[in-house]
Formats: sequence, structure tokens, C-alpha cells
Amino acid sequence: AQSVTQLDSHVSVSEGTPVLLRCNYSSSYSPSLFWYVQHPNKGLQLLLKYTSAATLVKGINGFEAEFKKSETSFHLTKPSAHMSDAAEYFCVVIFTGTASKLTFGTGTRLQVTL
Amino acid sequence: NAGVTQTPKFQVLKTGQSMTLQCAQDMNHNSMYWYRQDPGMGLRLIYYSASEGTTDKGEVPNGYNVSRLNKREFSLRLESAAPSQTSVYFCASRHDRAPTYEQYFGPGTRLTVT
Repeated sequence: AQSVTQLDSHVSVSEGTPVLLRCNYSSSYSPSLFWYVQHPNKGLQLLLKYTSAATLVKGINGFEAEFKKSETSFHLTKPSAHMSDAAEYFCVVIFTGTASKLTFGTGTRLQVTL
Repeated sequence: NAGVTQTPKFQVLKTGQSMTLQCAQDMNHNSMYWYRQDPGMGLRLIYYSASEGTTDKGEVPNGYNVSRLNKREFSLRLESAAPSQTSVYFCASRHDRAPTYEQYFGPGTRLTVT
């Protein structure tokens, strides 16, 4: 079965330290992968996307993600967290043969402390 | 360019009441979507419309109806609201250009059914 798993429901980091939000997917084929961010009481904003071009994808606000086919992972990273990064992050997948429907992970809430 | 707009932003209904959530996009997208977001569950697809005049069920369609009024507008109707429909509802529209297929989200409607 095709699925997407965000391994941490909550991550807490100090401002200025690196951020790692983990995402794994299960599929026989390489899907399209996205990270979306949702700030409190706001809609979802696209951070970055992977669509079978370069495996290291750079997004907005200093975030990047690396597609690793052998590990079926698409982890989101940022070298130095900022207070404004506190939000909920969703790993989202379009699996092959699903008419381009999005499948959402359950989300990771990122807390940034001083 | 407003993107995706939703009305209302907040709504409280009593069990059994009906209401329609409105969504409009000004990006000339063919595809539009309705999702609900519940704590710890990510977003789940209720209905979608691949083009004007067509609609299809998503993952959780029971208790809802939709209308694709024209290319810009896609409404979601609750005929007889139930407490289980308390949620945040997001409308989205999508690029039709492969291979990106990223979706653009509205700000959401917070619905409480008492």
C-alpha cells in the first residue's frame, strides 16, 4: 500500500540550531514529493517540491530537502532555525496512478525556543 | 491576484442546520479541491473537481455535496450538519502543468457544529 509517514509529531529546537523533520513514503515507484508549512490559523504554503529533477531541492526561507530513493525518504532540513519557523509542517506525496491526488502526512509541529 | 479565497472564515452551526462554504480562485486553474483538517490527521480530501462541470468523491465524502459553479468557483454544502463535521475546511486549486501539480490553498473555514 502507498503511504506517507512523518516520523515525529513534535520537534523542538533552539533558535540558531539545525532543523530536521523526517518523512518516509512507501511506494514501488518514485512519487512527486512536497513539503507544505502551515502557520497558526493560516492556510498551507508550499515550501518546496521534488519532481524527479535534482535530488536536493531548495525551497523558501532557507529550507531544503533531499530525495533518497534507496531510503524512500524526503527529510526537510534547515541549517539555523528562526523563531518565525515555528509552525506545522506537512510532507505531501502524489503517488503514481492516483490522478495526481495529494496524500498528506499527519504533520510535524516545530517549536523554536530562545 | 487574490489566489484562493474562502468564505466564511468562521461558522458555528447547530446539529441539523445546513450551510454552504464558498471557494473561488483567480488563477485560471481547472482543478479544485475541498479538504478537511482534523487534529493529528493531516488533510483529507472530501471532493474534487478536475474541470468545470465535473466532480468526484475523495476520501471522506459522506455528509457533503459540492457544486462546480464555473471555472472559478467550487462550493461545499453540508445539508444536515453533525458534530463530527466540526473541522477546519480548506479549498485548493491546482496547476495543470506536469510535472509539478502543486496545489494552492485558501485560508480555511473553521466550522463548529454544536
